[in-house]
Amino acid sequence: AQSVSQHNHHVILSEAASLELGCNYSYGGTVNLFWYVQYPGQHLQLLLKYFSGDPLVKGIKGFEAEFIKSKFSFNLRKPSVQWSDTAEYFCAVIRGSQGNLIFGKGTKLSVKP
Amino acid sequence: EADIYQTPRYLVIGTGKKITLECSQTMGHDKMYWYQQDPGMELHLIHYSYGVNSTEKGDLSSESTVSRIRTEHFPLTLESARPSHTSQYLCASSELAQMNTEAFFGQGTRLTVV
Repeated sequence: AQSVSQHNHHVILSEAASLELGCNYSYGGTVNLFWYVQYPGQHLQLLLKYFSGDPLVKGIKGFEAEFIKSKFSFNLRKPSVQWSDTAEYFCAVIRGSQGNLIFGKGTKLSVKP
Repeated sequence: EADIYQTPRYLVIGTGKKITLECSQTMGHDKMYWYQQDPGMELHLIHYSYGVNSTEKGDLSSESTVSRIRTEHFPLTLESARPSHTSQYLCASSELAQMNTEAFFGQGTRLTVV
């Protein structure tokens, strides 16, 4: 079955620590990949996206993600987190002609000041 | 800032009532979606639409129905609410039939059926 897997349910970090959130998908062929973020009380918003080209993509607020096709992965990274990064992070994939977004379960990030 | 709006934000309703969750977007997007999200769980696609008069069921079976009479409006209806329908419902929109496009989300409706 098609799926998007996020390995960490809840990550707790101190400010200035480095962050890496894992995401794997189980589709073959061409995919478009996304990371969305949901800050407390706010709507889902796009952090970054990969469609083609350079597999290292830069997003907003210092986030980046690397697409590794051979590993079916699209991990999210940030070198130094801030308290304001506390949020829930969702990996998502579009596959096929329908172009529907399929989401992972999300990872809750808590950053301690 | 995304121009997609959902009302109400919160709704508590009794079992057996009919409810309609509203979703409107002002971006002129043809494609619209409804997702259901339980706490700590992934977003499940329950309905989507390619445009006016188009409605499709998503990956997760749902007793809700949708309609798309106008491009900007994609309401979701539950004819008879049950406690099992308690969840958060998220509406989204995107440009049509383009894989390389992002979806914009509303703030969601948190539904509680008592």
